[in-house]
Amino acid sequence: GAGVSQSPSNKVTEKGKDVELRCDPISGHTALYWYRQSLGQGLEFLIYFQGNSAPDKSGLPSDRFSAERTGGSVSTLTIQRTQQEDSAVYLCASSLQWESNEQYFGPGTRLTVT
Amino acid sequence: GNSVTQMEGPVTLSEEAFLTINCTYTATGYPSLFWYVQYPGEGLQLLLKATKADDKGSNKGFEATYRKETTSFHLEKGSVQVSDSAVYFCALISSYSGAGSYQLTFGKGTKLSVIP
Repeated sequence: GAGVSQSPSNKVTEKGKDVELRCDPISGHTALYWYRQSLGQGLEFLIYFQGNSAPDKSGLPSDRFSAERTGGSVSTLTIQRTQQEDSAVYLCASSLQWESNEQYFGPGTRLTVT
Repeated sequence: GNSVTQMEGPVTLSEEAFLTINCTYTATGYPSLFWYVQYPGEGLQLLLKATKADDKGSNKGFEATYRKETTSFHLEKGSVQVSDSAVYFCALISSYSGAGSYQLTFGKGTKLSVIP
C-alpha cells in the first residue's frame, strides 16, 4: 500500500517568506509526527498529533513554527518569516496509534532558505 | 533525558566484510530500541527493533541485541554488500507513558560505504 508522502520534495525560499510543508500519512494511521534533520542537530522531534490534536508542541523551535492536522489525515507544517537556520530536511512519520512504537517515515522535504 | 550515542563515521568496508556499528543509550526506564536506515535519496526505513532486554532484532542479515547491562544495541552484519551503503541511525522510544513516550530519540547517524 501507499506509504507516507510529503510535498514538496524540495523548497527553496527567500529569508523572511512563509512556507507550508505537507504530509499525507498512511491511511488509517491515527498518530502523525514531524521531525527535522539538519547537519548540526541531527534528527530532532518537532511535534506529534493524535487524531487532529497536538498534545505536545514542545519540540517546535520557535513561535514561527506551527502545525495543524485536519480530518485525522493530512498535516501541514508552517514556518513563518523563514530564517537561514530553518534550512533542513523536514520529515513526517505516522504510526497506527501513538502507543505503537513503529513509525513509518516519508521521504522528507528539503527546505533551503537563501 | 533520553540520549543515543553511536559511533561516528564514515565507515568504509570492502564487500563481504564484517560490520559492527556501536550504539549506547541513556533512557528512563526500559525503552524500545531501533535501527533505522536511510539509503541515498530515500527516506528513513525501520531496519529492526527490540522491545525488551535480551531481545534480538534481525532483518536483511542485520542483527542487534538489546543489552540492558551495558545499555547497548550494537548493529552487526556478517557479510556486507555494496547495496548496504547507507546511513544507519540508532534510536529509542521511552517506555514511560506521557510526554516523550511517542517521540523517537536518534543518534547522529553512521554513514557506511561498501566498496566492491
